[in-house]
Amino acid sequence: GAVVSQHPSWVICKSGTSVKIECRSLDFQATTMFWYRQFPKQSLMLMATSNEGSKATYEQGVEKDKFLINHASLTLSTLTVTSAHPEDSSFYICSARAQRGSYGYTFGSGTRLTVV
Amino acid sequence: GENVEQHPSTLSVQEGDSAVIKCTYSDSASNYFPWYKQELGKRPQLIIDIRSNVGEKKDQRIAVTLNKTAKHFSLHITETQPEDSAVYFCAAGLSGYSTLTFGKGTMLLVSP
Repeated sequence: GAVVSQHPSWVICKSGTSVKIECRSLDFQATTMFWYRQFPKQSLMLMATSNEGSKATYEQGVEKDKFLINHASLTLSTLTVTSAHPEDSSFYICSARAQRGSYGYTFGSGTRLTVV
Repeated sequence: GENVEQHPSTLSVQEGDSAVIKCTYSDSASNYFPWYKQELGKRPQLIIDIRSNVGEKKDQRIAVTLNKTAKHFSLHITETQPEDSAVYFCAAGLSGYSTLTFGKGTMLLVSP
């Protein structure tokens, strides 16, 4: 089945530094990837939609300069949290549609970010 | 945009009982309604989905019903087992490459 690989699974960084999270579709081409943030005991909140070869579309309230998204190929999308602060600590997870015409979305394994 | 409401937020049942989680959506154009199960610290896993041209779908102990007129859909789990304990999310969206809007989740606890 469709697999989305996400790395790292967890990361601890100091305030002010940047962190890059990668999502790869291993056995399919993902024209579009979605990035979500999930706070403890809360739902998945869409941050942005990442389209291969074009600029990402950000949801209202999400700072595009802070959360940089790059989708340079059909199998790789990255999310960079720039100048991270403790309030950015969260579970970040990506998802992609398995194949053209299908309805199912496949999620990455998620990244637990802790900013100290 | 789409708005999805999910109830209840927590649900405790005894092993063997049935569990029902309900969701409503606002956008009548939505035509795809998946349900995800998320265990602590893990990725959401699709457990069942339904499209707007179907009223009910069943897969072993899990079933989903959809009422497009009322804009609500429900997840039914029968003969619950402790391993069913997790957070369940409903979602609604459009076919194609649209995004999914998620409900706030239901924490299901099945006691042995």
